[in-house]
Amino acid sequence: SAVISQKPSRDICQRGTSLTIQCQVDSQVTMMFWYRQQPGQSLTLIATANQGSEATYESGFVIDKFPISRPNLTFSTLTVSNMSPEDSSIYLCSVDGTGGYEQYFGPGTRLTVT
Amino acid sequence: QKEVEQNSGPLSVPEGAIASLNCTYSDRGSQSFFWYRQYSGKSPELIMFIYSNGDKEDGRFTAQLNKASQYVSLLIRDSQPSDSATYLCAGGGYNFNKFYFGSGTKLNVKP
Repeated sequence: SAVISQKPSRDICQRGTSLTIQCQVDSQVTMMFWYRQQPGQSLTLIATANQGSEATYESGFVIDKFPISRPNLTFSTLTVSNMSPEDSSIYLCSVDGTGGYEQYFGPGTRLTVT
Repeated sequence: QKEVEQNSGPLSVPEGAIASLNCTYSDRGSQSFFWYRQYSGKSPELIMFIYSNGDKEDGRFTAQLNKASQYVSLLIRDSQPSDSATYLCAGGGYNFNKFYFGSGTKLNVKP
């Protein structure tokens, strides 16, 4: 499976500010996904990012709040904008596997908004 | 209606026993199913996936899929304390790239 890294691994931010999370893969992948995992909860898909096209957002998530970039086949960013304490969560990127169906996850970014 | 449902647990089993984790799904269009293990503070790790009815074995792990009953399970044989984690079931279907995750089952293996 691909090696996936995320930066930063954790951050503490003040409300009203924005944070950009980076996801880097060591090989080219077609699909990249961004998830949120709130404390004690399961994973919620925020959006799917394909290279060269606009990200596809899930219900409840909007581009103004979570803008995503996918400039090439190995990199993506997720920005959490105008943060509030409710945005405190772990943000995970994942990529599709060589079989096309499975997904592999990065280590995650733990965000705390004060 | 949740797409994928799991019992949140915790499920406690003694070391060496078989742990049985279950998952049901509502979308009959779902065609692929995945089991992830997540240790506390870590990201999910893929341990098994299954596409066809029946059983699929990989070491101590066996995934079972019954599409007629819309039921997926994961059996862990000879459970070890290191298997203690939350197990997430995920389903994908008509859009293979979109996963629906269950809420996860916490497994405790007692020495």
